Amino acid sequence: GQNIDQPTEMTATEGAIVQINCTYQTSGFNGLFWYQQHAGEAPTFLSYNVLDGLEEKGRFSSFLSRSKGYSYLLLKELQMKDSASYLCAVKTDKLSFGAGTTVTVRA
Amino acid sequence: DTEVTQTPKHLVMGMTNKKSLKCEQHMGHRAMYWYKQKAKKPPELMFVYSYEKLSINESVPSRFSPECPNSSLLNLHLHALQPEDSALYLCASSQVRTSGYNEQFFGPGTRLTVL
Repeated sequence: GQNIDQPTEMTATEGAIVQINCTYQTSGFNGLFWYQQHAGEAPTFLSYNVLDGLEEKGRFSSFLSRSKGYSYLLLKELQMKDSASYLCAVKTDKLSFGAGTTVTVRA
Repeated sequence: DTEVTQTPKHLVMGMTNKKSLKCEQHMGHRAMYWYKQKAKKPPELMFVYSYEKLSINESVPSRFSPECPNSSLLNLHLHALQPEDSALYLCASSQVRTSGYNEQFFGPGTRLTVL
């Protein structure tokens, strides 16, 4: 199985930057996804990393280090609508999700 | 069309009822998934269909019975459920690739309550 760890909760101020870390232990690694999930809604895709390095997509960036079993999601210029749960998911022969990090953005 | 639709949005059923959840996508995806998500928990994989054939069953109890009648439709038949089966049931679809970028698109889910 996969051990996927991420912090339970994070709070930040509107306009700030927040970094959500994810560590994993797995065999047969085939990529790492970040999903955003607002309360009561379906997860929506944010990013995908399979090679080491940083992927930037607008205000959101994701980083991967395969040797360290480590990824982070960086949210810049936080907006109130970014308040949500952020799920780290590791792909092997299937997709396994971490428990999610609830980010609360305060004015 | 980049949408996965699920019906019904909400379902309340007794432990002796038989009901079905439905999922549909028209993105040409040949992999479809059922997940179960309890409150404040991550989605847990239940079943995977690849090319309309069941490829993964995560040791799900037989009171949950999946069906994939064609490449666009995925059903989950429910019978004799328990109150602990109450959860959000998410359907997802993706292209079939064993490696590489393989984003799963999720439907809005069916909120199931078992009384």
